[in-house]
Amino acid sequence: NAGVTQTPKFQVLKTGQSMTLQCAQDMNHNSMYWYRQDPGMGLRLIYYSASEGTTDKGEVPNGYNVSRLNKREFSLRLESAAPSQTSVYFCASSEAGANEKLFFGSGTQLSVL
Amino acid sequence: AQKVTQAQTEISVVEKEDVTLDCVYETRDTTYYLFWYKQPPSGELVFLIRRNSFDEQNEISGRYSWNFQKSTSSFNFTITASQVVDSAVYFCALSEARGNNNDMRFGAGTRLTVKP
Repeated sequence: NAGVTQTPKFQVLKTGQSMTLQCAQDMNHNSMYWYRQDPGMGLRLIYYSASEGTTDKGEVPNGYNVSRLNKREFSLRLESAAPSQTSVYFCASSEAGANEKLFFGSGTQLSVL
Repeated sequence: AQKVTQAQTEISVVEKEDVTLDCVYETRDTTYYLFWYKQPPSGELVFLIRRNSFDEQNEISGRYSWNFQKSTSSFNFTITASQVVDSAVYFCALSEARGNNNDMRFGAGTRLTVKP
């Protein structure tokens, strides 16, 4: 039962470097999300994709780009990493609809030095 | 946009005590959904419960119960006879019904520590 799989689990970057966080789900869900979790801030939505081929900004999209490669995969890219992007990143997926619960990956701990 | 406030940052109780985690929300929509998630020390978030805005019935599931009151815009979570395994960060979340979009917003979370 893989569910939502994120890679990598840990990453250290230098300021200005770029990287892509990968996420895949095997539940045939239409919707996928990227959140970041910071102390005292809870989870904040970066981007989401309601269905294959669509993406929308969340609360904190600046400095990030996303790609919904196909129904299974939703990647998050940091083009030029900044220390303010040090965080734990979670990918999630759900059936379509505001009433649907989210299924989360195990998270990626990212440090930008 | 919707907003969720969890005013309690950290709570510490002794095993077998009852504890209530508060959640207050703001939304302009009449149709919305409220959720609670648990994040144990392992880090992965786990869904606990969902409530829609038209269903104010309280719910009980074992030692867990939820009190939804639209009049005070609150959706509080009570753990009865707490156990060490309940130690986790608990998040309340709100999603407004807008087509197929699920723009779920979370509160800051409450870290619950249950001591033996």
